[in-house]
Amino acid sequence: GQNIDQPTEMTATEGAIVQINCTYQTSGFNGLFWYQQHAGEAPTFLSYNVLDGLEEKGRFSSFLSRSKGYSYLLLKELQMKDSASYLCAVRDGKSRAAGNKLTFGGGTRVLVKP
Amino acid sequence: NAGVTQTPKFRILKIGQSMTLQCTQDMNHNYMYWYRQDPGMGLKLIYYSVGAGITDKGEVPNGYNVSRSTTEDFPLRLELAAPSQTSVYFCASSYGIAGGNEQFFGPGTRLTVL
Repeated sequence: GQNIDQPTEMTATEGAIVQINCTYQTSGFNGLFWYQQHAGEAPTFLSYNVLDGLEEKGRFSSFLSRSKGYSYLLLKELQMKDSASYLCAVRDGKSRAAGNKLTFGGGTRVLVKP
Repeated sequence: NAGVTQTPKFRILKIGQSMTLQCTQDMNHNYMYWYRQDPGMGLKLIYYSVGAGITDKGEVPNGYNVSRSTTEDFPLRLELAAPSQTSVYFCASSYGIAGGNEQFFGPGTRLTVL
């Protein structure tokens, strides 16, 4: 099974940087995903890590350490539109039967203040 | 492409009623999923499918049924609605299991059982 932990809520100021941590304990590991979800909307894909290290995509970066079961999502130059929930999800299987299934954490609600 | 579409957007059911949540994708994805999301929580996998004719249980399948007769459609059936099934239901699809094949989500169905 999978156990994924992330903080419930974070507050930051417009223009600042926020780091959202995610720790996981899994029976298998085949990649970690970050999704953004605005209130009342569907999740949308932000980033994917399968090897250790940092992946950068514009203002968003995601880091993975497989040995520590740890990832973080870094949001730079925060904008008001970044106010949303951020979901960490782990994919456990490599086979077709495993179905590319994701196990999601509870999500971190980020509030950006002016 | 419309992506993943879901109907209805909203529904109120009485205890014991039945209904089918519809999900269609036009991206020719093999993999499809049903999740539920309770307020302030992450996503829980109900059922998934790795291709037409193949379905399997996720983390919270009790009270639900699915079928997958075509690549495009993956309906979710609630047979005897209970208040515990009040939630937002998201359908998702993905192309494959390798690399960063993210899941694409539909807009959700908001279901209330009274």
